[in-house]
Amino acid sequence: KQEVTQIPAALSVPEGENLVLNCSFTDSAIYNLQWFRQDPGKGLTSLLLIQSSQREQTSGRLNASLDKSSGRSTLYIAASQPGDSATYLCAVWGALVTFGKGTKLSVIP
Amino acid sequence: ETGVTQSPTHLIKTRGQQVTLRCSSQSGHNTVSWYQQALGQGPQFIFQYYREEENGRGNFPPRFSGLQFPNYSSELNVNALELDDSALYLCASSLEGTGPKGVFFGSGTQLSVL
Repeated sequence: KQEVTQIPAALSVPEGENLVLNCSFTDSAIYNLQWFRQDPGKGLTSLLLIQSSQREQTSGRLNASLDKSSGRSTLYIAASQPGDSATYLCAVWGALVTFGKGTKLSVIP
Repeated sequence: ETGVTQSPTHLIKTRGQQVTLRCSSQSGHNTVSWYQQALGQGPQFIFQYYREEENGRGNFPPRFSGLQFPNYSSELNVNALELDDSALYLCASSLEGTGPKGVFFGSGTQLSVL
């Protein structure tokens, strides 16, 4: 059974800092890994999708990497802004999709 | 705005009752999936429907059931509600073959069971 772990559970940083969110998974037989953003009480917004054959994806200030062999992915956020405050979820797509519990990010002005 | 709409946005029920949640897919999407997200947890996959047939199910009991209609809208039905069913229920739609790249989530229905 796939298990997805996200560390840290919560993170508070001052505006402008670069930060890294971590996601690990136990079964490397995955098709894709996807990072989502969730604002309180809202649905999920897709940020980046990494195919299993890829090593990284970039979108604006966001960069996600994938190391299937070690079962790890990181989401790098450059020059953080207060608007980045949200919960970030990692989802692993195999036979079924498995989500982590998320990292709650607070960016302090 | 993803084009996936869910109703109602909030719902309060008592233990033992039945509930129906609704989801309208994004135009052109033929696949819908449902997720349960308890407070402080990640979404848990309930099941997926493709062309009105269930084609994938997570670890949820049979009292969780669903329907997909010819217009690809969908319902999630939960019978004999339990306190632990209190959660945010999310619907996502996609076009079969696009994989997770084309998955779009609604804003969810917050269900409280008292």
